[in-house]
Amino acid sequence: GEDVEQSLFLSVREGDSSVINCTYTDSSSTYLYWYKQEPGAGLQLLTYIFSNMDMKQDQRLTVLLNKKDKHLSLRIADTQTGDSAIYFCAERKNAGNMLTFGGGTRLMVKP
Amino acid sequence: SAVISQKPSRDICQRGTSLTIQCQVDSQVTMMFWYRQQPGQSLTLIATANQGSEATYESGFVIDKFPISRPNLTFSTLTVSNMSPEDSSIYLCSVVTVGRHEQYFGPGTRLTVT
Repeated sequence: GEDVEQSLFLSVREGDSSVINCTYTDSSSTYLYWYKQEPGAGLQLLTYIFSNMDMKQDQRLTVLLNKKDKHLSLRIADTQTGDSAIYFCAERKNAGNMLTFGGGTRLMVKP
Repeated sequence: SAVISQKPSRDICQRGTSLTIQCQVDSQVTMMFWYRQQPGQSLTLIATANQGSEATYESGFVIDKFPISRPNLTFSTLTVSNMSPEDSSIYLCSVVTVGRHEQYFGPGTRLTVT
C-alpha cells in the first residue's frame, strides 16, 4: 500500500473545527509535516512535529501524533472559508531528507 | 523562512521541445529538491540537486530527461527535455535551510505541453 494515506475530502461549516487525518507506515519517520495548497499555488508549510512529540499547537492549528498507531492529525479550530484548500501530510524518514507525501485532503468550508 | 522564486511561473510548450526552469532561494540552504505534481495528484520527488555534482534521481526519473544543475548554494535549474503531453505538470523547487528541519516549496512552474 501507499506509505502515507489521507482521506480525499472533508466538508465542514464555517466556525466548526476541522480534523484532517493521516496514516503512515514507516516507524523510523523523524519529522511529520502539514502543508496547505490553495488553487494554482505552491505548497505552504503550516507546521511540523518531531516524532518524539505527541502534540504541537500553533494558534488555530493543533497537531496530534500517535506514534504507536502511526496516525497524525491536523485540527483547525474555528475553520474559515479561507481555510478551503488541499492539505498534504508528509513524512521524513530517518535516512536521508526525502519527503513522502500523502495524496492530499480537500477541505471545503461552507459559509 | 526561505523565500523561493521560480521562473517561469507557467509556460505552454510544443511537443519535442525543452524547457528550463530556474529556482532561486534568498538564503543559503543545505538541500534543494525538484518535485513534480501531475494534475490532481500529490507530489513526487524527481531528484535531489547536489551542489557541484550530478543530481541524485529517484526511481523512474533519469538525467537525460530531467537534467539538473546546481552551481551554488542558492540556485538550481531543472530542464524538462523532449517534452510530451505526459510531462504537463506543476514542477516545484523545494529547500531545506541550514540548521533547520523545515522544508519549503517554491510557487511552482505550471507546464502545459501541446
